[in-house]
Amino acid sequence: AQSVTQPDIHITVSEGASLELRCNYSYGATPYLFWYVQSPGQGLQLLLKYFSGDTLVQGIKGFEAEFKRSQSSFNLRKPSVHWSDAAEYFCAVGLPYNNNDMRFGAGTRLTVKP
Amino acid sequence: DADVTQTPRNRITKTGKRIMLECSQTKGHDRMYWYRQDPGLGLRLIYYSFDVKDINKGEISDGYSVSRQAQAKFSLSLESAIPNQTALYFCATSGTGWREQFFGPGTRLTVL
Repeated sequence: AQSVTQPDIHITVSEGASLELRCNYSYGATPYLFWYVQSPGQGLQLLLKYFSGDTLVQGIKGFEAEFKRSQSSFNLRKPSVHWSDAAEYFCAVGLPYNNNDMRFGAGTRLTVKP
Repeated sequence: DADVTQTPRNRITKTGKRIMLECSQTKGHDRMYWYRQDPGLGLRLIYYSFDVKDINKGEISDGYSVSRQAQAKFSLSLESAIPNQTALYFCATSGTGWREQFFGPGTRLTVL
């Protein structure tokens, strides 16, 4: 079945530690790829996106993500987490052959320990 | 001022009541969307509209209806609310073609 999978429901990291959030997709064609962040009580904000080209993309707030076609993955990384990064993170795919269709993963909730 | 606004932000209602959630945008986008968010399920698309005369069902449209009153306004209605429609509802907009979607702050709806 076509899907977007975020294997980690909840991750806890210490402030200053590195972070990697995983995202895998299962669609026949390479989709467009997005990471969104949702802070408590807020809507979703785009962190970064990948359409084509360089497979390492830089986003806002010091985040980056790497597209790996062979693994159907688009993992989000940050070298040093700040307490303000505590939020829920959603991976999403857009299907280029169906331009209304954007599918979201279930989300990963990030807790940052002092 | 926020580019995408939703009213109300919170609503508690009873089973069987009719509810309307409203979305307005000042981004000048043609495309508007309604999603619901449930814990552990992420966001799921309810309806989307590419312009005032173009409205389409999404993944989970049963029990919902929409109205695109103008380019800037897109309303979601629950004709007869039921408890499993308790969720966080988001409106989003995007420009023509593949662009990021911009989200409103959400409406938390509780159906008792």
